[in-house]
Amino acid sequence: QKEVEQNSGPLSVPEGAIASLNCTYSDRGSQSFFWYRQYSGKSPELIMFIYSNGDKEDGRFTAQLNKASQYVSLLIRDSQPSDSATYLCAVVNSSASKIIFGSGTRLSIRP
Amino acid sequence: DGGITQSPKYLFRKEGQNVTLSCEQNLNHDAMYWYRQDPGQGLRLIYYSQIVNDFQKGDIAEGYSVSREKKESFPLTVTSAQKNPTAFYLCASSLVGRLSGNTIYFGEGSWLTVV
Repeated sequence: QKEVEQNSGPLSVPEGAIASLNCTYSDRGSQSFFWYRQYSGKSPELIMFIYSNGDKEDGRFTAQLNKASQYVSLLIRDSQPSDSATYLCAVVNSSASKIIFGSGTRLSIRP
Repeated sequence: DGGITQSPKYLFRKEGQNVTLSCEQNLNHDAMYWYRQDPGQGLRLIYYSQIVNDFQKGDIAEGYSVSREKKESFPLTVTSAQKNPTAFYLCASSLVGRLSGNTIYFGEGSWLTVV
């Protein structure tokens, strides 16, 4: 079992709809969770971080964390073509010694 | 401006050569990391360091070496023992500690190609 798992996609969503990206992790003691966006050929940029169970909203983005189910998700409302990118889920391990990345989900917003 | 600077952005290596990728940060971050990314793939951890003069192997350390003589600097050497080094290399840094959440920030990356 991979430490952080994501569906590789591509996930195709019509412009203006809600895009839902999912991530599961294996280390039950993990405390910090991050979503990064990566455009092709560029380095990842931080979108959201979440530490507590529940939802965290920032503009069009909402991160959802369920530690009991070891599940973290990212919702993108009113999807725009500029949201087309690969989204990486990252988890800090329980000893806080390193950050583990999923392989990413490719999101495509179709006009 | 604060940030992470990687150089060079593009590098070509002949087979059998060692090459060194530079990474400097002025964010006063404790931890620094090197990741490798192959086309269409996720990030794989090569080495990381949480304090000066100490570093740990990641998942794919074979064929690579690092040093951490200064807090600001974490160079990566790709040795001739790394048989398939063509990839996008990302340097990153973070604060260490629960309050900071270990949020990680990336440099712009270095493209290494074997010719």
